[in-house]
Amino acid sequence: EADIYQTPRYLVIGTGKKITLECSQTMGHDKMYWYQQDPGMELHLIHYSYGVNSTEKGDLSSESTVSRIRTEHFPLTLESARPSHTSQYLCASSDGGAVTGELFFGEGSRLTVL
Amino acid sequence: KNQVEQSPQSLIILEGKNCTLQCNYTVSPFSNLRWYKQDTGRGPVSLTIMTFSENTKSNGRYTATLDADTKQSSLHITASQLSDSASYICVVSDRGSTLGRLYFGRGTQLTVWP
Repeated sequence: EADIYQTPRYLVIGTGKKITLECSQTMGHDKMYWYQQDPGMELHLIHYSYGVNSTEKGDLSSESTVSRIRTEHFPLTLESARPSHTSQYLCASSDGGAVTGELFFGEGSRLTVL
Repeated sequence: KNQVEQSPQSLIILEGKNCTLQCNYTVSPFSNLRWYKQDTGRGPVSLTIMTFSENTKSNGRYTATLDADTKQSSLHITASQLSDSASYICVVSDRGSTLGRLYFGRGTQLTVWP
């Protein structure tokens, strides 16, 4: 079983609030990712990191930001949440490249913005 | 355009029966293909990873096949159980860059009835 944890699992907030979704892994992986998933749709990469102080935007444009100050921690922040941000957010880490490595997912954070 | 198409979109079978899920892709140059199982409200869990040279890989009651020439893969589930009810996602990696990229299908939603 993967040692990657996301909190909160569920969050319901009002428009304009600032939120942070936490993601931590204890496997020592350098590579970490954030995906966004809507019901019945494919996962879309929104952010990734290949190590401490390294962050890049993914394929899907997102108003969220990420940071990677410690290897094990990769939080995602929304400064001002809107209803369009309602979605499932999945954090993942890899023991190698995205091509050759195994990808381990957290349980997800389901965000609802009212 | 690199794409991953899965069929059927949804499937209902009776417990104990076998089923086969399909994945067609246009990703090029191909690196590997993965099948994930995603329970409702949870993160995806890896079932199999196959590279270009592999055409069959098993994981318990799950058997994946790959035909790299026709760019098709299938996931066969034997003697289905209620716990097999989940979304099954096909993911294809390219090797067009040193970092690679993952292309996700939308998944097949499998429901197993008692």
